[in-house]
Formats: sequence, C-alpha cells, structure tokens
Amino acid sequence: EVQLVQSGAEVKKPGESLKISCKGSGYSFISYWIGWVRQMPGKGLEWMGIIYPGDSDTRYSPSFQGQVTISADKSISTAYLQWSSLKASDNAMYYCARHVTWGIGWYFDLWGRGTLVTVSS
Amino acid sequence: DIQMTQSPSSLSTSVGDRVTITCRASQNISRYLNWYQQKPGRAPNLLIYAASSLQTGVPSRFSGSGSGTDFTLTISSLQPEDFATYYCQQSYSTPTFGQGTKVEIK
Repeated sequence: EVQLVQSGAEVKKPGESLKISCKGSGYSFISYWIGWVRQMPGKGLEWMGIIYPGDSDTRYSPSFQGQVTISADKSISTAYLQWSSLKASDNAMYYCARHVTWGIGWYFDLWGRGTLVTVSS
Repeated sequence: DIQMTQSPSSLSTSVGDRVTITCRASQNISRYLNWYQQKPGRAPNLLIYAASSLQTGVPSRFSGSGSGTDFTLTISSLQPEDFATYYCQQSYSTPTFGQGTKVEIK
C-alpha cells in the first residue's frame, strides 16, 4: 500500500528540541519531493518546505526559513521535521505530503495522518 | 508571496444542491492551482490538480475550471460525504493556500 506514516503525538515544553518523522512506503521514496504543512488549531494550511530525498535538495517557505530544519534518510525512506527550540506558537498539527511535480509546480497527492505537537509549560 | 482568496468563507447548503467555490490569486498563476478537501480530524485530500484535472478516485461530481487569476471548484450534486472544508492552493511560486471554505448542512 502506498502510504506515509507519521510519528506519534508529542508534548513538549518551550525551549525543548523535537524531531518528528514521516516514513514512505509502497513507492519509490527517492523519486518524489516530500513536504511539510502546518495547521494551527482551528486554522488553515501553511506550506513549510520540502526535500527531495534523492539528493537532499531542500527548500523552505520564507515564513519558516531558520525556524525549522527538514531532512531525510533515504536508506530508511523517512523524512524529518525538527525544531531546536520550541515555542508555544509551534502548537499545531503537522502533515507530511508527497509532492508530484507538474510543470514548474507541484500538487500534493499523498498525505500522512498528521503529528500533533503540543508545546506547553 | 502570492495571496489566495476564497469565497465564500462558509456556506450552508443541502444534499443535491450545486455548489460553487471561487478562488482568486493575487497575480497570474497560469493553471498552477489545486483543490483539496479536508474533513474534521483528517488530513487534506487532493481533488483537482492543474486547475481542472480530476485526481484518480475522486467522484466526477467534482470539477475545476479557470486560469490566470480566477478559478472555480464545482460540486454538481452535493452528497452527504461532501460536507467538509475546501482549500485552493497555488504552486506557481512558493506554495500558498486559500483560507478555506466550509461547506455546512443547511
């Protein structure tokens, strides 16, 4: 089955670090961009950035550049999103999504179920 | 960033109705426009890509149209499972989403 499986919910304190994961299966993981999308409670969708696991080419939204790090380990078909120092404003659901290239753009055809990150003192 | 504006923000409608949601881009994005459906507690699901191409497995009552700055998602006959929030998304440049349109039961 083609799927993206995300790591479980996390509860952290402000200032702590965190790395969440997204494991692809059922398709050639290195052949598609994988991206991350944030959804704050009761809000809309925000694109954070992407990585091409084949060569680790990484791109960030200007809104998230410097705030998070996206990485991947192609040997285990897994992408990661990490924070070095969490803030309360990082409270959100985080989705990974497979990006399919079309022309100069992408569409997101396969999504993980999401990882809920709760940051609270 | 390219801003995406959806209208309406919400609508109340009935099973069997025809529903139209519009999405306007702040600049020309050609046909780099996609539509997603999201149900409460679930991940988004791709409906339409490249403005008018129906994603595999999506019912044919969903259709998309438009190019440039103005786009439309149409549901020809609303079914009970279609009550959800719908998002447009551009990928002409750094991807951005519209604010969402919530389709509710009248």
